[in-house]
Amino acid sequence: EDKVVQSPLSLVVHEGDTVTLNCSYEVTNFRSLLWYKQEKKAPTFLFMLTSSGIEKKSGRLSSILDKKELFSILNITATQTGDSAVYLCAVKGISQGAQKLVFGQGTRLTINP
Amino acid sequence: SQTIHQWPATLVQPVGSPLSLECTVEGTSNPNLYWYRQAAGRGLQLLFYSVGIGQISSEVPQNLSASRPQDRQFILSSKKLLLSDSGFYLCAWSPPDRVRLEQYFGPGTRLTVT
Repeated sequence: EDKVVQSPLSLVVHEGDTVTLNCSYEVTNFRSLLWYKQEKKAPTFLFMLTSSGIEKKSGRLSSILDKKELFSILNITATQTGDSAVYLCAVKGISQGAQKLVFGQGTRLTINP
Repeated sequence: SQTIHQWPATLVQPVGSPLSLECTVEGTSNPNLYWYRQAAGRGLQLLFYSVGIGQISSEVPQNLSASRPQDRQFILSSKKLLLSDSGFYLCAWSPPDRVRLEQYFGPGTRLTVT
């Protein structure tokens, strides 16, 4: 059964710190890995990674995929209180059928001022 | 641009009552549509997905059903709610082509069954 595990489940840091969130997966015929940010309500799309070793970057957020070791990390530098959210990792594998994603349980990140 | 709507935003229903949650998408045609449930402190669990009108795939056996009466309308229903149906229900859409795999979520419905 396809599985996505995120760690840590919860993280509390001070504003300005750098954080690294982890996502490991087991999936048949991997297609892509996606990161979402969920604040109060709907998750918002951050990155999609399909190729190993290529970093995706958006401002202070960056993510990289290691297809050999089956994991991805999401880095946030110079954190701000607005970065507080649940970060979700999801993986798409071909055996799951059309366009279905398996989500991890999320990492709850709290940035204290 | 595309937008996705869900209603109601919050709902409190007694055990045994029926349920109907609605999701509509604007600005795209023939989207793939999804219903997820998120229990408190947990990840998203896929309940149903649809690749076209009248085409529904169920991911987990449960007390719920889904229907897609129109291209951009997705409805989640139950005839009799259980306490375990409480949670945060999210509708999502993705483009119909197989290349772009990202899904976009609606604002969600918080359901409390009492």
